[in-house]
Amino acid sequence: EPEVTQTPSHQVTQMGQEVILRCVPISNHLYFYWYRQILGQKVEFLVSFYNNEISEKSEIFDDQFSVERPDGSNFTLKIRSTKLEDSAMYFCASTERPNVGTQYFGPGTRLLVL
Amino acid sequence: AQSVSQHNHHVILSEAASLELGCNYSYGGTVNLFWYVQYPGQHLQLLLKYFSGDPLVKGIKGFEAEFIKSKFSFNLRKPSVQWSDTAEYFCAVTEAGRRALTFGSGTRLQVQP
Repeated sequence: EPEVTQTPSHQVTQMGQEVILRCVPISNHLYFYWYRQILGQKVEFLVSFYNNEISEKSEIFDDQFSVERPDGSNFTLKIRSTKLEDSAMYFCASTERPNVGTQYFGPGTRLLVL
Repeated sequence: AQSVSQHNHHVILSEAASLELGCNYSYGGTVNLFWYVQYPGQHLQLLLKYFSGDPLVKGIKGFEAEFIKSKFSFNLRKPSVQWSDTAEYFCAVTEAGRRALTFGSGTRLQVQP
């Protein structure tokens, strides 16, 4: 069964550094998402992406965040200058169709900012 | 902004016991409703979903959920749990026409053999 994959599984970085989290969505999916879960808190929506554009974003997704589909398979989340409070599990998801399609989630990247 | 509440944070049951996990949401308009499960060390996986039609929805592994619009609820049920149902269960909602899932805080289910 096709799966969403994410790399790396764990990343440790220093405050102020840039990080790029990578996702490979399911191959025939067209809609992509990033969510995050701070330890002990709810899974929170960050951004959705379709046709090389952001289609929806939350108030969490400020100017330090960006997303990109650099090629036909990868979908990346960049955090420009990490803060301690960016430490979280970051989940990528994809779906074939928006609104009625099921979002399939990747295993997550655990980011620790020191 | 809408919110999703899951009332039970940690549930411990013996095998063969019946399960009901509560989920309530705050949005008054049309919603799509989901239950996801995360087994230890695994991805979030879809258990079941409701978009329209019969409010009693059947999912994988014997789970079902009932949408009660008047109560803004979408409770998850299973008549007889197994040890392999030990996992964290998340209720999630999208407003019709939007893509963002709003998640509840999750319920950790522990089934004792």
